[in-house]
Amino acid sequence: DAGVIQSPRHEVTEMGQEVTLRCKPISGHDYLFWYRQTMMRGLELLIYFNNNVPIDDSGMPEDRFSAKMPNASFSTLKIQPSEPRDSAVYFCASSQHGQETQYFGPGTRLLVL
Amino acid sequence: EDQVTQSPEALRLQEGESSSLNCSYTVSGLRGLFWYRQDPGKGPEFLFTLYSAGEEKEKERLKATLTKKESFLHITAPKPEDSATYLCAVQGTDSSYKLIFGSGTRLLVRP
Repeated sequence: DAGVIQSPRHEVTEMGQEVTLRCKPISGHDYLFWYRQTMMRGLELLIYFNNNVPIDDSGMPEDRFSAKMPNASFSTLKIQPSEPRDSAVYFCASSQHGQETQYFGPGTRLLVL
Repeated sequence: EDQVTQSPEALRLQEGESSSLNCSYTVSGLRGLFWYRQDPGKGPEFLFTLYSAGEEKEKERLKATLTKKESFLHITAPKPEDSATYLCAVQGTDSSYKLIFGSGTRLLVRP
């Protein structure tokens, strides 16, 4: 299996621009998670989906952040407008069931100037 | 509030020098405790899941144990390739399946 796939791997953008991060979960996994990692706050959950439906978005920092999962094999995390404090590594993870192991992708390193 | 604390923050070992990493947790009900390894520039790589106190799991030079309040990751005779950040996370029995992560232990094994 190819594992969780994320794109782009690196993104540099200017403040105010729209940023879209993409994720393809492991085939057959029903749960998809978006996490953010920073030096100050470590790894934190932003939102997760079950069968393409958002279940817990309590970690989404602001209305500038939105996430969608149009089908079982694709999800996006969008930031509009982006701000320098959004600079972080964003990880996507998937699991076969909610209580089972979450497998992480390689991450997208975002820098907002 | 669910919380995970890892210690030490950083650990330097000589090759072959065994040691242990600690993960203390506070959770209303534990569904599972997870150990991951993270190399620089990469995503967390799954190592172990522990579900109940007294449970132990092993993989090569690593052994994870669990009590009602903490977990230990024992590293026996480490090699330089074991150098990485080790992350501990808990999943509670509330309605959410999110993982609560500790800040990690950065391990450096010198040859």
